[in-house]
Amino acid sequence: KQEVTQIPAALSVPEGENLVLNCSFTDSAIYNLQWFRQDPGKGLTSLLLIQSSQREQTSGRLNASLDKSSGRSTLYIAASQPGDSATYLCAVPISDNTDKLIFGTGTRLQVFP
Amino acid sequence: DGGITQSPKYLFRKEGQNVTLSCEQNLNHDAMYWYRQDPGQGLRLIYYSQIVNDFQKGDIAEGYSVSREKKESFPLTVTSAQKNPTAFYLCASRIYRGGGAQPQHFGDGTRLSIL
Repeated sequence: KQEVTQIPAALSVPEGENLVLNCSFTDSAIYNLQWFRQDPGKGLTSLLLIQSSQREQTSGRLNASLDKSSGRSTLYIAASQPGDSATYLCAVPISDNTDKLIFGTGTRLQVFP
Repeated sequence: DGGITQSPKYLFRKEGQNVTLSCEQNLNHDAMYWYRQDPGQGLRLIYYSQIVNDFQKGDIAEGYSVSREKKESFPLTVTSAQKNPTAFYLCASRIYRGGGAQPQHFGDGTRLSIL
């Protein structure tokens, strides 16, 4: 059974730091991995989706990498800003049904000025 | 602007009452989803629909019902059989397109509480 874990559960950093968020999954046979951001009381915003054939994806200051063999993905945030404060979640599909996602419980990030 | 609209933002349910949460999308997306989010538990899939007039159960479908009569709409009914309905409910949608899976896009959620 696929399980998704995100460590740490919470992270507090000063503005300007580069940081890495981790996502681990137990079954390496994934079709893709998606990173989301959730602001308090709001829905999820899709940040990056990495297909199984890809090693990384970049969008602005965000870079997500995928290592299927080790069951890990990392989300790298460069030059963090207070506006980056949110909860970051990763999700993978259940086997070959890409409609059914398994979510991690998220990392709550606070960037202080 | 295209997007997913969930209403109401807050909803209160009395004991023994059914309530319906609305989800509308104007993105021309094929599939729609309902998730429940509880503190410390992450999101869990309730129901999803890949095409009009068809839907499948997710991991926690008991006590819930859905319909998909139009491509744009996927309402969720929380029935009196759902004994612990207090949660944050999120609707999502995505398009089917060749070349790999497309990301799911989410609405802003409905917070349901018991009176």
